[in-house]
Amino acid sequence: DAGITQSPRHKVTETGTPVTLRCHQTENHRYMYWYRQDPGHGLRLIHYSYGVKDTDKGEVSDGYSVSRSKTEDFLLTLESATSSQTSVYFCAISDRTGGRGYNEQFFGPGTRLTVL
Amino acid sequence: AQSVTQPDIHITVSEGASLELRCNYSYGATPYLFWYVQSPGQGLQLLLKYFSGDTLVQGIKGFEAEFKRSQSSFNLRKPSVHWSDAAEYFCAVGVEGAQKLVFGQGTRLTINP
Repeated sequence: DAGITQSPRHKVTETGTPVTLRCHQTENHRYMYWYRQDPGHGLRLIHYSYGVKDTDKGEVSDGYSVSRSKTEDFLLTLESATSSQTSVYFCAISDRTGGRGYNEQFFGPGTRLTVL
Repeated sequence: AQSVTQPDIHITVSEGASLELRCNYSYGATPYLFWYVQSPGQGLQLLLKYFSGDTLVQGIKGFEAEFKRSQSSFNLRKPSVHWSDAAEYFCAVGVEGAQKLVFGQGTRLTINP
């Protein structure tokens, strides 16, 4: 299994509080991703990173910010959590390819976040 | 923009029966296609992928998938399912020009003993 850990694995918080989720990899992969998983929606991309300090928005980025100061760590922050952000959050990593190509993504175990 | 449709939200099959999970994609060029499996409470695991070449691809756990360009499909099959195959299955397509994936909504598979 790819070396990806997420912390915390479970969190309950209250509306309006800030929350930071951490993804840590030991694979030295260039790309890192944050998804949320909700019933009926599959996985939706929140933000992704294509290198240290290089990030971009995904399809559901409102209310979330990210930072990547080291290759191995990708942080997802909810500045002011809302009940609609109750979800399971997955981190994923992938490596770059040579030429026109594509590498699969490897997923972490997930973080279950509940916002009351 | 790329999109993926998995028409079946939930499928139930008997143990030992054959399985086919459907996936349709929307994409202009040759797509990069993936099937992932998610067991309850777990992350996603790659079953197989298609980039080019032979349109029938073999994956782990006895799964295979066939790419059909004319039908924009990439259906997942298994000749005989086991109780341990009960899980949620996701089809995904790679986004052109970016190392990103677009996922389908998933198909939950239940196995009857």
